Amino acid sequence: DIQMTQSPSFLSASVGERVTLSCKASQNINKYLDWYQQKLGEAPKLLIYNTNNLHTGIPSRFSGSGSGTDYTLTISSLQPEDVATYFCLQRNSWPNTFGAGTKLELK
Amino acid sequence: EVQLQQSGPELQRPGASVKLSCKASGYTFTEYYMYWVKQRPKQGLELIGRIDPEDGSTDYVEKFKNKATLTADTSSNTAYMQLSSLTSEDTATYFCARRGTTSGPIDYWGQGVMVTVSS
Repeated sequence: DIQMTQSPSFLSASVGERVTLSCKASQNINKYLDWYQQKLGEAPKLLIYNTNNLHTGIPSRFSGSGSGTDYTLTISSLQPEDVATYFCLQRNSWPNTFGAGTKLELK
Repeated sequence: EVQLQQSGPELQRPGASVKLSCKASGYTFTEYYMYWVKQRPKQGLELIGRIDPEDGSTDYVEKFKNKATLTADTSSNTAYMQLSSLTSEDTATYFCARRGTTSGPIDYWGQGVMVTVSS
């Protein structure tokens, strides 16, 4: 199975700050990488799919990049409503696997 | 509007089985896989498996092959997951979520259902 490693596990940032979250795969996943946001007590919500495609209705401050084994989610200007845990998911091969998540809080 | 409506919370005894439901609406049920995902309290997300409602074919993550059974009823647009021989390790929130059978991401999720296993 492909292992997905997210870093950092925890991040504290200020409103308006640029935030970068990382997801590293144990092998090439050919850009089949999606990002999800999960707020406390809610279901995950799709943000970005296939590395850099913004899902419908997601604010443009969210963006994704990467290739091969290394992928990044960027929030250009952190907003209070972005406090959540962020998970990456690889869909290159079965079983699809999630990263352990990055918990993002406000400083 | 796409909706995945899951059944209510469950409290079960160790050794019991439970069957969870996920009723889909707002799209063509047979054109999307239904995935099931486990999330233990304050933990990450763990894929259990998926079912293609078109033909009932399933794919399971190895560790859940003897734990979960996925089925789908196209007459009611409902997917089911049965969990057997419950232990405290099965205490978790379980989500259903859809993904297009030809391509694309897991894009819509159910609200999740909490299963508690306790004597």
